[in-house]
Amino acid sequence: GENVEQHPSTLSVQEGDSAVIKCTYSDSASNYFPWYKQELGKGPQLIIDIRSNVGEKKDQRIAVTLNKTAKHFSLHITETQPEDSAVYFCAANSGGGADGLTFGKGTHLIIQP
Amino acid sequence: NAGVTQTPKFRVLKTGQSMTLLCAQDMNHEYMYWYRQDPGMGLRLIHYSVGEGTTAKGEVPDGYNVSRLKKQNFLLGLESAAPSQTSVYFCASSPGGSFYEQYFGPGTRLTVT
Repeated sequence: GENVEQHPSTLSVQEGDSAVIKCTYSDSASNYFPWYKQELGKGPQLIIDIRSNVGEKKDQRIAVTLNKTAKHFSLHITETQPEDSAVYFCAANSGGGADGLTFGKGTHLIIQP
Repeated sequence: NAGVTQTPKFRVLKTGQSMTLLCAQDMNHEYMYWYRQDPGMGLRLIHYSVGEGTTAKGEVPDGYNVSRLKKQNFLLGLESAAPSQTSVYFCASSPGGSFYEQYFGPGTRLTVT
């Protein structure tokens, strides 16, 4: 099955700086890679996703890059703000099948004022 | 629209007791999922359903059963609770399987003593 590794487990950045979270996956058939943000006491919420037919996707301050050859993808947050503080999860599917996503173990992002 | 709702929000059980967690979605999604979230472990898939009347096992199905009698509801049952099942349980739904966004509920925090 799919295995997703996520680094770092904790990331502290100054407000206004950029943050980068990296993930690797094992199943070369995986073709969908979402990123979720989870605030304390809430369920995960999708912030951006990328499919295997593109290498980069951007939505305002958030971008995701995908390297299929190396089997890794990254989340980039620019101009970080206090409300970006949360736990972020990367995930990958298993070749487009019906079963669920495989998640990384999460990154606790802390924005220092 | 309420999206994905979960009942109850919190529950404390004694070892050996049983209970059912209810997930409901009002988005007419075919696919529904149950995950558990443990500290440092990310989210792991317990069971999933690709439509009314169907269920399938995920990564960690032991000790759990599920039913999908109605399209909008997905029930997770614990027949004989164990302390190892202390966790936060999340339900999710999706319009088209693991190639599409999954929408998560707010979670149920279960403690087994």
